[in-house]
Amino acid sequence: EAGVAQSPRYKIIEKRQSVAFWCNPISGHATLYWYQQILGQGPKLLIQFQNNGVVDDSQLPKDRFSAERLKGVDSTLKIQPAKLEDSAVYLCASTINQVTQELFFGEGSRLTVL
Amino acid sequence: GDSVTQMEGPVTLSEEAFLTINCTYTATGYPSLFWYVQYPGEGLQLLLKATKADDKGSNKGFEATYRKETTSFHLEKGSVQVSDSAVYFCALSKGTSYDKVIFGPGTSLSVIP
Repeated sequence: EAGVAQSPRYKIIEKRQSVAFWCNPISGHATLYWYQQILGQGPKLLIQFQNNGVVDDSQLPKDRFSAERLKGVDSTLKIQPAKLEDSAVYLCASTINQVTQELFFGEGSRLTVL
Repeated sequence: GDSVTQMEGPVTLSEEAFLTINCTYTATGYPSLFWYVQYPGEGLQLLLKATKADDKGSNKGFEATYRKETTSFHLEKGSVQVSDSAVYFCALSKGTSYDKVIFGPGTSLSVIP
């Protein structure tokens, strides 16, 4: 079974530029999450999708971050314009089991903003 | 709001030493509790879980018991190996599809031969 796929693995941009990250969850997983992991900290939820609907985006900085999950499968997270403090690893996770909430993570996309 | 607190790292142990990583939580209701592990260069993966009070989760020699009276879920292993070097994250979830999984800050473990 293929795992959660993310791309790109690494991205370096200048502040005020834009960037997009892509995630393809495990087939059949209805719930998809984007987390931000700043160095030395635990993952922080940015947005949670159930199929193609947003369940929780309360911690998404909506003035610069956006995310979509068209057709309820893969998802894109965009940052525009980027700030220095956006430097982090962006993790995508998915789950099929809504009771136990076991998350399956991708390897992450590491963003460096200069 | 709901939160997870872990002991600060990094933790450095010799091979075959006993490991304890403390985790306490604050949450309303009856959350499920998890330990995730992140090996160098890899994504997070579930290590073990417990879904109700007094449950013990176990995997790969690691154990953790859900203690509601002390709101704790401490991770233990009797004899660590070099291959256990990783970052360990304690997490909680209310266990419904609409409740997010909240992670602690992580504890880095290094095991030296």
